[in-house]
Amino acid sequence: DSGVTQTPKHLITATGQRVTLRCSPRSGDLSVYWYQQSLDQGLQFLIQYYNGEERAKGNILERFSAQQFPDLHSELNLSSLELGDSALYFCASSVSLTGGSEQYFGPGTRLTVT
Amino acid sequence: DQQVKQNSPSLSVQEGRISILNCDYTNSMFDYFLWYKKYPAEGPTFLISISSIKDKNEDGRFTVFLNKSAKHLSLHIVPSQPGDSAVYFCAASGANSGGYQKVTFGTGTKLQVIP
Repeated sequence: DSGVTQTPKHLITATGQRVTLRCSPRSGDLSVYWYQQSLDQGLQFLIQYYNGEERAKGNILERFSAQQFPDLHSELNLSSLELGDSALYFCASSVSLTGGSEQYFGPGTRLTVT
Repeated sequence: DQQVKQNSPSLSVQEGRISILNCDYTNSMFDYFLWYKKYPAEGPTFLISISSIKDKNEDGRFTVFLNKSAKHLSLHIVPSQPGDSAVYFCAASGANSGGYQKVTFGTGTKLQVIP
């Protein structure tokens, strides 16, 4: 158990809809990362927050947005969903921003868009 | 632009032998490299890391080697055990344009250790 929780575990929705994925980081971790893993693909970095502020952005679509709240939990919002958005979405947390900091990953949310 | 590449999607090794997983990168500004292991239906877990100022880091059965001139790193597992069967991701960290660290993952190598 990494200490990172993600809800829901599974999500099935239709094209055009909007969903929110939730992540609670490990106790004491200030940094939260979101990743997307599509079938047979590696982990695509989406976005990073540190203590409530956005710090790095990857290949995140404009239809996607995220935020980190004062209690440090984070939400990833996906809107106008398309079939290609079906993927595993992982949240990770780390204690600091330094590059060598290991990230602790949650179990992921499997999103299926039909 | 895939800055971190794992060219072998899969690898099979006999139990007790050495497993060597390879990773190449293109960005010379990366300053930390990490390996993660992932079992099905679970999130990745951190395995071992190495700073760009070192060329080797060892932790038990796991050793990571870094060759900066070749922009290449490898993970050695000796001896390999059936429980090591998983997908291994190479990751590299470097400062983005805003000065903050950004982590880039490779596509993974699926290791199968045969008993």
